[in-house]
Amino acid sequence: GQQLNQSPQSMFIQEGEDVSMNCTSSSIFNTWLWYKQDPGEGPVLLIALYKAGELTSNGRLTAQFGITRKDSFLNISASIPSDVGIYFCAGPNTGTASKLTFGTGTRLQVTL
Amino acid sequence: DSGVTQTPKHLITATGQRVTLRCSPRSGDLSVYWYQQSLDQGLQFLIQYYNGEERAKGNILERFSAQQFPDLHSELNLSSLELGDSALYFCASSDTGVVLTFGAGSRLTVL
Repeated sequence: GQQLNQSPQSMFIQEGEDVSMNCTSSSIFNTWLWYKQDPGEGPVLLIALYKAGELTSNGRLTAQFGITRKDSFLNISASIPSDVGIYFCAGPNTGTASKLTFGTGTRLQVTL
Repeated sequence: DSGVTQTPKHLITATGQRVTLRCSPRSGDLSVYWYQQSLDQGLQFLIQYYNGEERAKGNILERFSAQQFPDLHSELNLSSLELGDSALYFCASSDTGVVLTFGAGSRLTVL
């Protein structure tokens, strides 16, 4: 089945730094979603991307839908302590469009 | 509050037992999804219902079953529980079938 690989697996950064993470797939996706999961909570949608090449921002977050449709990137600028959590990319399976496949996740830790 | 309600939030039980997890979707959403997240793992899709009918199935064990009722709430039944079933179980709902809204999860601990 389709797999989404995220890198890096984890990051330790200082408050105020910018963060970049990416998500790659062996197959094409028509939609890319980025979710954040706080400890002990459910994932929350951050950004949705629907078109190859699309660049979308949500506050300090910016995500891009790769031109090849096989990757996506998420950047966080000027990180703050509440950015701590796990960031997941996700995309709907082409076989069953209603089922989301989630990436392996990037765990972000922010130090003061 | 995402609008997706899951109960119970925490559940501790013994091996061999059976439990039922409940989910109420966001108002107006017809689709309900169940995902399993084991410790430090990603989200594994279990099953999806749309307006009462099973729509898609993932890696759901035969010991697990689910249903969606006419009022659109859903239940996930886990039986003959094993230690390895300890995990967070998430319910999500959707109206578009693409963007999912997740509940806060039910944490199951099997001792």
